[in-house]
Amino acid sequence: EAGVAQSPRYKIIEKRQSVAFWCNPISGHATLYWYQQILGQGPKLLIQFQNNGVVDDSQLPKDRFSAERLKGVDSTLKIQPAKLEDSAVYLCASSLDGGRTEAFFGQGTRLTVV
Amino acid sequence: TQLLEQSPQFLSIQEGENLTVYCNSSSVFSSLQWYRQEPGEGPVLLVTVVTGGEVKKLKRLTFQFGDARKDSSLHITAAQPGDTGLYLCAGGGYSWGKLQFGAGTQVVVTP
Repeated sequence: EAGVAQSPRYKIIEKRQSVAFWCNPISGHATLYWYQQILGQGPKLLIQFQNNGVVDDSQLPKDRFSAERLKGVDSTLKIQPAKLEDSAVYLCASSLDGGRTEAFFGQGTRLTVV
Repeated sequence: TQLLEQSPQFLSIQEGENLTVYCNSSSVFSSLQWYRQEPGEGPVLLVTVVTGGEVKKLKRLTFQFGDARKDSSLHITAAQPGDTGLYLCAGGGYSWGKLQFGAGTQVVVTP
């Protein structure tokens, strides 16, 4: 079974530039999460999708972050414009049915904003 | 602010010693999951506990879910260098089951 795929693995951008991350979840998984993990901290939930609908985006900085999950499969997370404090690893995860079932994580995208 | 508080933040022990990591919250969760994360990788699930008072064993790892479903512990017996990693607990909510993580405990086991 293929795992969660994310790209790119690494990205370095200047502040005020824009960046996009892509995630392909495990086939058949209805729930997709985007997490932000700052060095030395646990993952912080940014947004949770159930199929192509948003279940929770209460911690997503909506003035600069956006995410979509078209057709309930792949998802993209965008930051525009980026700030220095956005430097982190962005993890995508998927599960069959929300928090009641195991979440499988991708390797993440390490973003450095300079 | 982390909904789940993990302690200690950092633990360094010698091979063969035992260790316990704690995960506490004021909230009730439908499930509590433990993950281990290695550098450059995403977290990998170790176990899910769903019943208050539940105890699960996975080789040298023992997981316990509190009776009130608000806290959990992870105990490792005779730790090995391969147990080194960031241990994360995550609480699953009701309804659609939002999954939220603690800050993690960094465990280092030296030979």
